[in-house]
Amino acid sequence: GIQVEQSPPDLILQEGANSTLRCNFSDSVNNLQWFHQNPWGQLINLFYIPSGTKQNGRLSATTVATERYSLLYISSSQTTDSGVYFCAGGGSQGNLIFGKGTKLSVKP
Amino acid sequence: KAGVTQTPRYLIKTRGQQVTLSCSPISGHRSVSWYQQTPGQGLQFLFEYFSETQRNKGNFPGRFSGRQFSNSRSEMNVSTLELGDSALYLCASSLAAGGASLAYEQYFGPGTRLTVT
Repeated sequence: GIQVEQSPPDLILQEGANSTLRCNFSDSVNNLQWFHQNPWGQLINLFYIPSGTKQNGRLSATTVATERYSLLYISSSQTTDSGVYFCAGGGSQGNLIFGKGTKLSVKP
Repeated sequence: KAGVTQTPRYLIKTRGQQVTLSCSPISGHRSVSWYQQTPGQGLQFLFEYFSETQRNKGNFPGRFSGRQFSNSRSEMNVSTLELGDSALYLCASSLAAGGASLAYEQYFGPGTRLTVT
C-alpha cells in the first residue's frame, strides 16, 4: 500500500523563523491533506491539496503530484504553531494514510 | 455549521469489558471513517461507512466493529477490551456524494480517549 513519510520528525524554531515541512508518498494519491493536531488531540484541517499551491495566512502548501511530494511552509512562526503536523494521502481502500508527523516546537 | 462531534470524550474501562463510541458527522456528510491513534502505531484506519454500509475496512481484529444509522451517525464497538486498545479514537466525516470518499476533504472530530486498565 501507499507509504507516507514526513520530515523532519522534530523541529525546534525560534519565534519569527520560517520552516518547511516535507511529505513524500510512495505512490499516486487522489487526496492529500495537511493537519495540525492540537494539544487535546483534535486534527485541525490546514489544507486539502491533491495538487498545486494554496495559501492561508502565514501557512502555504504545495503538492507536486507527479513527483509524489508535498510541502508545508510556515512563515513568521508563533508559539501557537507548536504541535504535531501530519500529512495524509488517500489510499486504495478509501482511507487516509498518515505519516508519522513532524513535531514542531516554537520557542519565544 | 457544527463540526464533527464525538462522545464520550474520555473513557476508562477494564480489560475484558466492551465499549461503544459515538460519532455525529457534519450535517450533510454521509461518509464516516474511524481511526485509532497510539504512540507506537500512529494513526491507523479502522473502517469507513457510507449510507449505512461498511465500505472499507482496515487491518484490525473482529473485536472492532461499527455501524452507521440512517441519519449518518456512526458508532464503533470494541469487545473484550485489551490493554493495547488504549488509544485516541478519531472519527472523520466527508461529503462523499456518491463517489469515493477520498475525493473529498475529511474533517475530524475531537476524539475519544480510551484507557483500558
